[in-house]
Amino acid sequence: GENVEQHPSTLSVQEGDSAVIKCTYSDSASNYFPWYKQELGKRPQLIIDIRSNVGEKKDQRIAVTLNKTAKHFSLHITETQPEDSAVYFCAASNGQNFVFGPGTRLSVLP
Amino acid sequence: NAGVTQTPKFRVLKTGQSMTLLCAQDMNHEYMYWYRQDPGMGLRLIHYSVGEGTTAKGEVPDGYNVSRLKKQNFLLGLESAAPSQTSVYFCASSPQGPYTEAFFGQGTRLTVV
Repeated sequence: GENVEQHPSTLSVQEGDSAVIKCTYSDSASNYFPWYKQELGKRPQLIIDIRSNVGEKKDQRIAVTLNKTAKHFSLHITETQPEDSAVYFCAASNGQNFVFGPGTRLSVLP
Repeated sequence: NAGVTQTPKFRVLKTGQSMTLLCAQDMNHEYMYWYRQDPGMGLRLIHYSVGEGTTAKGEVPDGYNVSRLKKQNFLLGLESAAPSQTSVYFCASSPQGPYTEAFFGQGTRLTVV
């Protein structure tokens, strides 16, 4: 089955700096890769996703890149703000179900 | 629209007790999922359903049962609760399976003592 690894597990950045979170997956059949943000005590919510026929997708300050050959994808957040502090989960889907990474706790320091 | 609603939000059980968690969605989604969230382990799939009357096992199904008698509801049952089942449980639904956004409920914090 699919296995998703995520690094780092924790990340602290200064407000205004960029943050990068990386994920790798094992199943070459996976073709949908969403990213979820979970604020403390809240439910996970989708922030951006990418499909296997696309190498990069951007939405304002967030972007995701996908390298299918290497089986890894990354989340990039630019100009970080305190409200970006949360746990971020990557996921991969091979058409059966979503497999999530263990999460990255991002702290944006003022 | 309420989206995905879980009942209850909190529960404390004694070892060996049983309970049912209810997930209801009003978006007419075909796919529904139950996850458990433990520190450092992300979201692990317990069971899922691809439509009314169907269920399938996920990554960690042992100790749990599910039913999907109505399209809008997905029930998760614990027949004999164990301390290892202490966790936060999330239900989610998606319109066209795992190729589209999954919408999550607010979670149920379950403690088994």
